[in-house]
Amino acid sequence: RKEVEQDPGPFNVPEGATVAFNCTYSNSASQSFFWYRQDCRKEPKLLMSVYSSGNEDGRFTAQLNRASQYISLLIRDSKLSDSATYLCAVNMNTGFQKLVFGTGTRLLVSP
Amino acid sequence: EPEVTQTPSHQVTQMGQEVILRCVPISNHLYFYWYRQILGQKVEFLVSFYNNEISEKSEIFDDQFSVERPDGSNFTLKIRSTKLEDSAMYFCARNRGDSGNTIYFGEGSWLTVV
Repeated sequence: RKEVEQDPGPFNVPEGATVAFNCTYSNSASQSFFWYRQDCRKEPKLLMSVYSSGNEDGRFTAQLNRASQYISLLIRDSKLSDSATYLCAVNMNTGFQKLVFGTGTRLLVSP
Repeated sequence: EPEVTQTPSHQVTQMGQEVILRCVPISNHLYFYWYRQILGQKVEFLVSFYNNEISEKSEIFDDQFSVERPDGSNFTLKIRSTKLEDSAMYFCARNRGDSGNTIYFGEGSWLTVV
């Protein structure tokens, strides 16, 4: 099983749609979880951290399910500008150590 | 505003040549990282650097790679003898030291080995 696994997509949705991505991780001892957004040939940009209690930032909601070892990202009211690749990242250590990334899920929002 | 500044933004080099990629943090932080992303593939951890020492490195980070912070400011990644498969985007990243180990990436350096 891959350390961090994502459906590569692409997810093609119309503007205004709600779309959800999941990401599974293999190490039950994983400590921190993140969603990054990456535009073509650009750096990953932090979208949000994912907490056990879940967190919401505007149209974006992230959830963590430790029992099933997955995190999710929900995007409501999709905008054209949301078109990008969404990377799931997991920190498997307790210190300031490495992130393990998934391959990313590509989202295409169309007019 | 980027978390770190990376140079060069793009470098083309011949196989076997040495390459140095540079990273300048905006402010003085202790934790730095190098990641790479081969075109079309996932972002991969290379090395973490804490308090001027390597704290962890991946299997990718073999003897051809080295990191240092020569002047206490710039943070460099050196590839001694580049191979075609070293062609990738190399990202410098830093940790702000906040809770949750949040890592922020620089804009990256594209390396093309021909």
